[in-house]
Amino acid sequence: TQLLEQSPQFLSIQEGENLTVYCNSSSVFSSLQWYRQEPGEGPVLLVTVVTGGEVKKLKRLTFQFGDARKDSSLHITAAQTGDTGLYLCAGGRSGTYKYIFGTGTRLKVLA
Amino acid sequence: NAGVTQTPKFRVLKTGQSMTLLCAQDMNHEYMYWYRQDPGMGLRLIHYSVGEGTTAKGEVPDGYNVSRLKKQNFLLGLESAAPSQTSVYFCASSEVGNIQYFGAGTRLSVL
Repeated sequence: TQLLEQSPQFLSIQEGENLTVYCNSSSVFSSLQWYRQEPGEGPVLLVTVVTGGEVKKLKRLTFQFGDARKDSSLHITAAQTGDTGLYLCAGGRSGTYKYIFGTGTRLKVLA
Repeated sequence: NAGVTQTPKFRVLKTGQSMTLLCAQDMNHEYMYWYRQDPGMGLRLIHYSVGEGTTAKGEVPDGYNVSRLKKQNFLLGLESAAPSQTSVYFCASSEVGNIQYFGAGTRLSVL
């Protein structure tokens, strides 16, 4: 059972464009993480959000946790070719050591 | 710093063969995880460990066994490989705070 759905599944855009990736669930999570994975490598953590409505910025990346802690978004401003990769969200619940990963969004930024 | 090291990086097996994947971490982390990654499925948790000598089942444990005899090592075993186990396997470790550090992955093909 896949509890975290990401959309879109694939995205190809030109350098300089803006984009938003979504991570949705019917379940409540105590925290949510975003990872980026490049070909041949493991995922690397970008950010963790823990409070409903929380917004975090990492240079051109803006992450938001939904008020009800069931969804999250990742917005990239002025995309660069270096942003190309697979973006994964992962939801965690308090009292467990496990994270549930989303289905992933594969982003390609063209020069 | 090595971080999380997985061996081997690639392996081809015939149906019915057995093998062990090794994960080693040098960060003294308590928690370790084994995931598999398949196209369109994100990462799915196979087994995990919350400390030396402990193991627990994740989402997709069938066909796999694990052992954590030493804190720094987490082994994933396939007793009788099946084509459905063709996948990319990732190991991760974490400490309290749930930032997971991933290895570079093992690409396994079962013919």
